[in-house]
Amino acid sequence: KAGVTQTPRYLIKTRGQQVTLSCSPISGHRSVSWYQQTPGQGLQFLFEYFSETQRNKGNFPGRFSGRQFSNSRSEMNVSTLELGDSALYLCASSSQGAGANVLTFGAGSRLTVL
Amino acid sequence: KNEVEQSPQNLTAQEGEFITINCSYSVGISALHWLQQHPGGGIVSLFMLSSGKKKHGRLIATINIQEKHSSLHITASHPRDSAVYICAVGTFGNEKLTFGTGTRLTIIP
Repeated sequence: KAGVTQTPRYLIKTRGQQVTLSCSPISGHRSVSWYQQTPGQGLQFLFEYFSETQRNKGNFPGRFSGRQFSNSRSEMNVSTLELGDSALYLCASSSQGAGANVLTFGAGSRLTVL
Repeated sequence: KNEVEQSPQNLTAQEGEFITINCSYSVGISALHWLQQHPGGGIVSLFMLSSGKKKHGRLIATINIQEKHSSLHITASHPRDSAVYICAVGTFGNEKLTFGTGTRLTIIP
């Protein structure tokens, strides 16, 4: 059974650019959640999607957005990149939702903003 | 005050020692997750529990809903247990996880 796949694994961008990260969940999982991890703030919840609907969003500016496709694959986008957006971005999938279900995490996408 | 507090922040122990990591939270929850993160970033879910106790190999997790407290125990610790352990709380229907700051565990051979 394939795990959660995140692409790309590493990327370097410059301030002002935008970036799109992809997450393919475990087959059959309909919930995909996204997280940002930085040394200063630790792990923080970005948003969660279930059957193409965003059900919850963390306290991040509107530059952070996401979507989910009918095959449950999800993408997140960060526009007008800032230095502080440098982080490890993780996604996780579950059958029903992140709140009270076992999560399977991807390996993460490490974004560096110069 | 953070909604989820973990202690200790750092823990160094000798191989074979019994390890306890604590997590306290201040909000009502549906479930508490214990996660393990090795250098390089990958996160593995160890336990998800909403009551009582769960055991998997040398790992044991307990939760006391009334006291809003959970513990992760590692018996017969091994250097491969060296990692950051993170607790996170979630609410059914809310789908938003709130994370503790993590406990960095180092097991010395």
